Amino acid sequence: DGGITQSPKYLFRKEGQNVTLSCEQNLNHDAMYWYRQDPGQGLRLIYYSQIVNDFQKGDIAEGYSVSREKKESFPLTVTSAQKNPTAFYLCASRRGRESYNSPLHFGNGTRLTVT
Amino acid sequence: GQNIDQPTEMTATEGAIVQINCTYQTSGFNGLFWYQQHAGEAPTFLSYNVLDGLEEKGRFSSFLSRSKGYSYLLLKELQMKDSASYLCAVRDQDDYKLSFGAGTTVTVRA
Repeated sequence: DGGITQSPKYLFRKEGQNVTLSCEQNLNHDAMYWYRQDPGQGLRLIYYSQIVNDFQKGDIAEGYSVSREKKESFPLTVTSAQKNPTAFYLCASRRGRESYNSPLHFGNGTRLTVT
Repeated sequence: GQNIDQPTEMTATEGAIVQINCTYQTSGFNGLFWYQQHAGEAPTFLSYNVLDGLEEKGRFSSFLSRSKGYSYLLLKELQMKDSASYLCAVRDQDDYKLSFGAGTTVTVRA
């Protein structure tokens, strides 16, 4: 079955350390996204990528970095510059621009705790 | 930018109907999505509206009025498993960006 895999499910880090969250999809989707979810707030877009080797900042990109070297993979690095990194991180993908009504497919998320 | 508003919480009885409203103010509009999210899990797609009117899918229906910047999700014959958060999301002129509301937590009671 095709899907999106995020790993690990739970991640703990000390303040000041960079950490990379993995996201892999085998849906052959062109576009991939990273969202952050905090209690009482909607999903906020961190970065997104329309095609390989291209990505754009979302609404809250500061303190994060991404790469898109392969169609299947879109890892997110949470750097020490991110002021409040503890959150639930969701990766998503969708088909390309020509599929105008294509919904986002989400991974099961990674819950990051920084102490 | 996008401004998307939904009620924070709603409670209903098993077997009843609940309507979740979503209002939005956007610089452009290219479709509205509803997602369901159980606690600690990934959101799952429920419905999509791009034209005015009602879309029906089994027990769930979604309505859109573009002129009013308004949508609702109607859940009929509520079941306990429908207890979840329901997210309204609007796609703007940039086809690749979806902006989400804060979500409405629905609690179904026996």
